[in-house]
Amino acid sequence: NAGVTQTPKFQVLKTGQSMTLQCAQDMNHNSMYWYRQDPGMGLRLIYYSASEGTTDKGEVPNGYNVSRLNKREFSLRLESAAPSQTSVYFCASREGTTYLNTEAFFGQGTRLTVV
Amino acid sequence: GEDVEQSLFLSVREGDSSVINCTYTDSSSTYLYWYKQEPGAGLQLLTYIFSNMDMKQDQRLTVLLNKKDKHLSLRIADTQTGDSAIYFCAEISTGANNLFFGTGTRLTVIP
Repeated sequence: NAGVTQTPKFQVLKTGQSMTLQCAQDMNHNSMYWYRQDPGMGLRLIYYSASEGTTDKGEVPNGYNVSRLNKREFSLRLESAAPSQTSVYFCASREGTTYLNTEAFFGQGTRLTVV
Repeated sequence: GEDVEQSLFLSVREGDSSVINCTYTDSSSTYLYWYKQEPGAGLQLLTYIFSNMDMKQDQRLTVLLNKKDKHLSLRIADTQTGDSAIYFCAEISTGANNLFFGTGTRLTVIP
């Protein structure tokens, strides 16, 4: 049982390049999330998807787009990467549409550097 | 977003107790969580507490909640080197879709 799988694990981009971070979960969860983690700032929500076919902005959506391809997959796209997007990106999933007391499962993270 | 504050670093000696503190601002917080992040890994849920509780104990972990002061703490008894990690507190309010995370506290256990 793989849980939440993110690819790639590491990526270096040049400013202006585009890329898509992939996330897949095999737990049949409804909700999926993309966070970025920056030193001293905790995790900040970029986008989330409460269910297949829906997506909503989080705290820091600028510069990103997402696609909930199906129930399993939720991708994050950087159309024109900027150095400020250098970060560690985490995908998470959970059952249900609000956190309440059900556990969120996190992927291993993607370390992205934009030069 | 909501404000969730933690101190950034904590060092303790192996065998001592660790206390990691967190303050939050949202008075309508429903659940409060502690997550652990080991180096190079994602976050794992350690424990959570519902806002109408004062304390929750789970083996070596004790969570204390002071709702009046909006203060949450995680005590780890008999801290081991394997407890070295970053610990995040997080909170969610009823009807919200987002967990708000603190900055994380890096716990270093000295052998």
